[in-house]
Amino acid sequence: AQSVAQPEDQVNVAEGNPLTVKCTYSVSGNPYLFWYVQYPNRGLQFLLKYITGDNLVKGSYGFEAEFNKSQTSFHLKKPSALVSDSALYFCAVRERNSGNTPLVFGKGTRLSVIA
Amino acid sequence: DADVTQTPRNRITKTGKRIMLECSQTKGHDRMYWYRQDPGLGLRLIYYSFDVKDINKGEISDGYSVSRQAQAKFSLSLESAIPNQTALYFCATSDPRGGVTDTQYFGPGTRLTVL
Repeated sequence: AQSVAQPEDQVNVAEGNPLTVKCTYSVSGNPYLFWYVQYPNRGLQFLLKYITGDNLVKGSYGFEAEFNKSQTSFHLKKPSALVSDSALYFCAVRERNSGNTPLVFGKGTRLSVIA
Repeated sequence: DADVTQTPRNRITKTGKRIMLECSQTKGHDRMYWYRQDPGLGLRLIYYSFDVKDINKGEISDGYSVSRQAQAKFSLSLESAIPNQTALYFCATSDPRGGVTDTQYFGPGTRLTVL
């Protein structure tokens, strides 16, 4: 079975500081991993995904994520946080050989960037 | 994403009423999904459809039904609404040409309250 965990319900960071939103996953084989962001009163928007190759993935709005197979993690990072980054962030996973099974989403982490 | 629209955006109804939530997309995607979002529970899959003739149950399909009227339309029905179906509902689409790495595109959501 596929699953994903976001261990922090809330992350607070000061504007200009680096931010990290954590995600760990569990699959039987190799994963495809995704990050989505939800701004207030909006649907989810795709940020980035890991398919294969380079463990560091760059996405929209200056975000990046690092795939770590040994730690089964895919943490989202940004070098310098903006107030406008405040939102709800979701990690999602699909096992590579799972056919057409849909994505499994984490419970979300609320990021608050304080000016 | 304006390419995926949901109607209504907000709905208040009473216990026992039949409710239909509608989703339309202009992205030309074959795959469509219905999720519900609850605080602390993240995004949970209700139903998904990979083409007009394909309907699949998700994690929490009890109490819900769907209809895929056309490639562009996927509606979700609550046959007899109950208060614990109060939630934010999202429709999403994806393109099968992306294979198992397909990115999902979300509508703006429907906030449903069952009294």
